[in-house]
Amino acid sequence: NAGVTQTPKFQVLKTGQSMTLQCAQDMNHNSMYWYRQDPGMGLRLIYYSASEGTTDKGEVPNGYNVSRLNKREFSLRLESAAPSQTSVYFCASREHSALAQPQHFGDGTRLSIL
Amino acid sequence: RKEVEQDPGPFNVPEGATVAFNCTYSNSASQSFFWYRQDCRKEPKLLMSVYSSGNEDGRFTAQLNRASQYISLLIRDSKLSDSATYLCVVNIYNFNKFYFGSGTKLNVKP
Repeated sequence: NAGVTQTPKFQVLKTGQSMTLQCAQDMNHNSMYWYRQDPGMGLRLIYYSASEGTTDKGEVPNGYNVSRLNKREFSLRLESAAPSQTSVYFCASREHSALAQPQHFGDGTRLSIL
Repeated sequence: RKEVEQDPGPFNVPEGATVAFNCTYSNSASQSFFWYRQDCRKEPKLLMSVYSSGNEDGRFTAQLNRASQYISLLIRDSKLSDSATYLCVVNIYNFNKFYFGSGTKLNVKP
């Protein structure tokens, strides 16, 4: 059981390049999330998807777009990468059926933008 | 003001010690509460949910104080393997929004 799988694990981009981070979960969860984590800061929500076909902005959506391709997959796209987007990106999923359902995380994508 | 605040530490304790972390949250509409553990350069992993009446899982005890808007985590008989960063997570009324504290770093020394 893989849980939440993120690809790639590492990536280096030049300013202005575009890239898509992939995330897939095999737990049949309804909700999926993208976070970024910067040194000394907690995880900050970029976008989330409560269910297939819906997406909503989180705290820090500027510079990103997302696609909920199907129930399993939720991708994050950087259209024109900027050095400020250098970070570790985590994807997460959870069952949306009730309160107190925790999130399960992928092992992250480490992205550096030069 | 941050939604969730934690003392960043580090807390340096000897093996076998008892250590407690607190976390405060600002939104009284907060619904669900969790403690996650994050090892260096790894993903956060759920340690335990926090229930209104308090709950225990082995050496770990979590408490919720809604009146004062804080949650706590107590670790008894600390092990070297407990060394990690502990993240406080709060879910506010919109069930899909989770707010993370910046984490409290724990170093357990021999």
